[in-house]
Amino acid sequence: EVQLQESGPGLVKPSQSLSLTCSVTGYSITSNYWGWIRKFPGNKMEWMGYISYSGSTSYNPSLKSRISITRDTSKNQFFLQLNSVTTEDTATYYCARTNYGSYDSWGQGVMVTVSS
Amino acid sequence: DIQMTQSPSVLSASVGDRVTLNCKASQNINKYLNWYQQKLGEAPKLLIYNTNNLQTGIPSRFSGSGSGTDYTLTISSLQPEDVATYFCFQHNSWPLTFGSGTKLEIK
Repeated sequence: EVQLQESGPGLVKPSQSLSLTCSVTGYSITSNYWGWIRKFPGNKMEWMGYISYSGSTSYNPSLKSRISITRDTSKNQFFLQLNSVTTEDTATYYCARTNYGSYDSWGQGVMVTVSS
Repeated sequence: DIQMTQSPSVLSASVGDRVTLNCKASQNINKYLNWYQQKLGEAPKLLIYNTNNLQTGIPSRFSGSGSGTDYTLTISSLQPEDVATYFCFQHNSWPLTFGSGTKLEIK
C-alpha cells in the first residue's frame, strides 16, 4: 500500500523560501505522477504542480515563477520549493499520487504558516 | 482557468436521507470530474473518479453522474460517518482546479 508523508518547517518568514519533502513508501516514484496541492484557511484548494515518473514537471501558471518540484529517486522522495513567500502562502500542503489523472493517495498534510 | 462552483456550500440532512451535491464547471470538462471527501483533520479521500467510477473500498451508497459542465454526487442513504466536506475536482484542463466545497452536516 502506498503511503505519503509530508515534512518540513511549520513556520516560514515572509520573502523566504518554503521547502517541503514528501516521503513515499510502498510505491516507486519512478512510476505515475506526483503532485503538490494546498488548502488555504477557509477551505479553498489549489493544485500547485506535479513531477512525473520521468522527472518532467508541470506547474500552475499562478505559481510558475516561484515554484520548483524536484525528486530524489534513491530516497523515493520528491520536494516542493516555493520562493518569495507571503502571508498568502499560509496553507496546509499535501503531496499526492496521480493515477490516470486522479489524485488517489494523499499524505496527511503539513500546515505551514508564513509570518515574521 | 476552469472555475468549479459547488452548491450548496452547506447541507444539513438527516440520517437515512438521500442527499445530492452539485458541481458546475465554467466550461465542458468531458467527464474528467472527481469527488473527494475530507473529514476534519484528515487527508482528502477519493470517492468517485471520472464522473461515475467508484473508487475501490468506497461504499456503494456514493454515486456520481453528469456530463458537460454539470455534475452530481449522490449519497443514497446518509450515514453519520459521512459528515465531511466534499470537493469536486476537474482534471480535463490545465491548471487543474477544485470546487470550493460543500460541508455536509447531520441534522
